[in-house]
Amino acid sequence: AQSVTQPDIHITVSEGASLELRCNYSYGATPYLFWYVQSPGQGLQLLLKYFSGDTLVQGIKGFEAEFKRSQSSFNLRKPSVHWSDAAEYFCAVGLAGYQKVTFGTGTKLQVIP
Amino acid sequence: SQTIHQWPATLVQPVGSPLSLECTVEGTSNPNLYWYRQAAGRGLQLLFYSVGIGQISSEVPQNLSASRPQDRQFILSSKKLLLSDSGFYLCAWSSETQYFGPGTRLLVL
Repeated sequence: AQSVTQPDIHITVSEGASLELRCNYSYGATPYLFWYVQSPGQGLQLLLKYFSGDTLVQGIKGFEAEFKRSQSSFNLRKPSVHWSDAAEYFCAVGLAGYQKVTFGTGTKLQVIP
Repeated sequence: SQTIHQWPATLVQPVGSPLSLECTVEGTSNPNLYWYRQAAGRGLQLLFYSVGIGQISSEVPQNLSASRPQDRQFILSSKKLLLSDSGFYLCAWSSETQYFGPGTRLLVL
């Protein structure tokens, strides 16, 4: 069965520090990969997605993610975190032509001054 | 551009009362539509999805139901709410990527 793992439930970083959020998946084929961000009480906003091609994907708000097939990973990175980045981040995985997407359990990011 | 609306934004209902949450999408046709629930401190649970008018797939057994009376309208209902139905309900539409609405916070007392 397909699965998505976000091993870090909660991460705290200092403002201005770099950030990496981990995501690992278990799928039988090359998946579609997504990162979403959710602020408290809000819906999920798409940060970036990977379907094919260049394995380094640029997204909104200065985020990027790299698809590593050999490690079954799609980690989210940002070189310098801003206080406004404090939110919950969800990794998600789908398959071409398949209606459903599997979400990870999320990583809550706290940013300290 | 496409937009997705949900209402109401917040709802407080007594146990045993009925429920109707509405989701509408603008700017696209024949989207796949989804209902998710987020319980406090937990991830997203897919409740229902629909690939067309009148076509509903249920993911988990529960006292909720969904309907799609029009192409871009998706409704989540219950005849009698339970305390465990409290949570944050999210509607989403997709072609290949899922896009989410602002959510409805439901508190059942």
